[in-house]
Amino acid sequence: DAGVTQSPTHLIKTRGQQVTLRCSPKSGHDTVSWYQQALGQGPQFIFQYYEEEERQRGNFPDRFSGHQFPNYSSELNVNALLLGDSALYLCASSSGGRREGHLNTEAFFGQGTRLTVV
Amino acid sequence: QKEVEQDPGPLSVPEGAIVSLNCTYSNSAFQYFMWYRQYSRKGPELLMYTYSSGNKEDGRFTAQVDKSSKYISLFIRDSQPSDSATYLCAKKRNDYKLSFGAGTTVTVRA
Repeated sequence: DAGVTQSPTHLIKTRGQQVTLRCSPKSGHDTVSWYQQALGQGPQFIFQYYEEEERQRGNFPDRFSGHQFPNYSSELNVNALLLGDSALYLCASSSGGRREGHLNTEAFFGQGTRLTVV
Repeated sequence: QKEVEQDPGPLSVPEGAIVSLNCTYSNSAFQYFMWYRQYSRKGPELLMYTYSSGNKEDGRFTAQVDKSSKYISLFIRDSQPSDSATYLCAKKRNDYKLSFGAGTTVTVRA
């Protein structure tokens, strides 16, 4: 089992550019969540996708958008990059999404994509 | 006010010592509490989760929740150098997001 895989592992972009990050969930998982982790901070929830729709969103601007594909993989897009967007972007997958209120089982995280905006 | 506040650390302990990690939380709605371990340049790894007050043990790890004081703790017994990592507490309500503390970096000295 490959677990949660993310690509690329590292990325350097210039202010104002756009970036796309990718995530493949753990086998059997249908729900993907994205988190941003700034240096020395805990992960901050960006949004969650289930059944190809954004189910919940954290306190992030519209420059952050996403997509989930029929095979449950997901993309995170960030437009008009700012220096403050430099962070580790984490993808977490889980299952049991139909049961509202359920723990949604354990969230398994990928190794993240380290984005540096210069 | 942040939903989860975590003692900042860092902590440095000798091998074999007990490591004690603490967090407080706001919002008392029904929720789960988790502890994650994150090694440098890696994603978080779930260690334990619980939803009730009291203690939950898993090997050398004990998670403790006190809902009356909104306090969650993780204890690591017989700590090993391989336990050196950042430990993140988190909580999850009936919605879907995890709310994390800022993390405590632990170093276990051989």
